[in-house]
Amino acid sequence: SAVISQKPSRDICQRGTSLTIQCQVDSQVTMMFWYRQQPGQSLTLIATANQGSEATYESGFVIDKFPISRPNLTFSTLTVSNMSPEDSSIYLCSVARDGAYGYTFGSGTRLTVV
Amino acid sequence: AQSVAQPEDQVNVAEGNPLTVKCTYSVSGNPYLFWYVQYPNRGLQFLLKYITGDNLVKGSYGFEAEFNKSQTSFHLKKPSALVSDSALYFCAVRHYSGAGSYQLTFGKGTKLSVIP
Repeated sequence: SAVISQKPSRDICQRGTSLTIQCQVDSQVTMMFWYRQQPGQSLTLIATANQGSEATYESGFVIDKFPISRPNLTFSTLTVSNMSPEDSSIYLCSVARDGAYGYTFGSGTRLTVV
Repeated sequence: AQSVAQPEDQVNVAEGNPLTVKCTYSVSGNPYLFWYVQYPNRGLQFLLKYITGDNLVKGSYGFEAEFNKSQTSFHLKKPSALVSDSALYFCAVRHYSGAGSYQLTFGKGTKLSVIP
């Protein structure tokens, strides 16, 4: 399966600032996904990022707040913009492999907004 | 719409005893089902998946899951629990989201505590 390097692993940020999270995959993948896991909660899909097209956002998530880049088939970034304490969560990237039957996750970015 | 239910927020089991973590699902078409485990301060690790074939699926770390179509269930099991199995377990179902893309919908998670 794919190996994903996600950075940073954690950060503490001031409200009103932005943080960009990077996800690097060791092989080319078509679909990449960004999830949010709020404290004590399950994973919620933020958006799907396919190379060469605009990211597709789920209900409740907007591009202005969570802009995503997907410049090539091995890399993607998620930016959390104008942060507030409510954005404190774990953010995870994921890729689909094996004909989308298998999914691999990065180790996550634990974000705390103060 | 697709959904995954994990009815237990927490499961406690004594070390050496068998464990079961429950999952039921709702999805259109054939279900593709997954179990993931999350250890503290870690990402999600794949345990096993059901795509087709035998209803009993064997996965990592001695875990297995039983697919039951009539009950729309996919319960995770292990014959003998270890203290190191203590973690958060997520059940997920894959579904078609349009434009040739598939995505996962997760259950809320079940915290497993194995007591020495």
